[in-house]
Amino acid sequence: QQQVKQSPQSLIVQKGGISIINCAYENTAFDYFPWYQQFPGKGPALLIAIRPDVSEKKEGRFTISFNKSAKQFSLHIMDSQPGDSATYFCAAGGDMRNAGNMLTFGGGTRLMVKP
Amino acid sequence: NAGVTQTPKFRILKIGQSMTLQCAQDMNHNYMYWYRQDPGMGLKLIYYSVGAGITDKGEVPNGYNVSRSTTEDFPLRLELAAPSQTSVYFCASSRRQGWNTEAFFGQGTRLTVV
Repeated sequence: QQQVKQSPQSLIVQKGGISIINCAYENTAFDYFPWYQQFPGKGPALLIAIRPDVSEKKEGRFTISFNKSAKQFSLHIMDSQPGDSATYFCAAGGDMRNAGNMLTFGGGTRLMVKP
Repeated sequence: NAGVTQTPKFRILKIGQSMTLQCAQDMNHNYMYWYRQDPGMGLKLIYYSVGAGITDKGEVPNGYNVSRSTTEDFPLRLELAAPSQTSVYFCASSRRQGWNTEAFFGQGTRLTVV
């Protein structure tokens, strides 16, 4: 099963608040879990990524939490800012059986941070 | 470093017309992909390529064709355009570098079929 499920579909957060987006996967062969950020009219760009041998990775205000046993991972945006308003995609990859090296993307979360 | 370049940025097609969406990357990546993104939806894989001369279907290949004659270029051909092909199309590339399989995306082509 290649599906990656992402929730919520949309999220509204006040400036300074914490934004949390969750993803779940089925394929235990995945070993690379990136998050992509997409601004309107632009292509997705890598925000932060994690491997399953660690439970957390932090880069500035962005943190990925990873739960291997539950096959879930989440993105936390601390002190959310209006400039963080964008669509966020989780993804999974690294399955060496996948000849195309492609990522499987979640459905996306549209985040709006209110001033 | 240009990364992944897509042309055109916008296009309006009439039903039944054909067109080619161009994609070029300058990072010497083996892997290239075409995705479509419908409004409010995620990314659906149309076609992908693991190297020059090798292409394969993704999740939604019907109505599209691709070719990969060089490492750099991966054009997407739409034959007999239909309203259902109205979407934003993204080209991406990647290389397998250990565990990191980061995909780099172009700016997208917004296509409307009327």
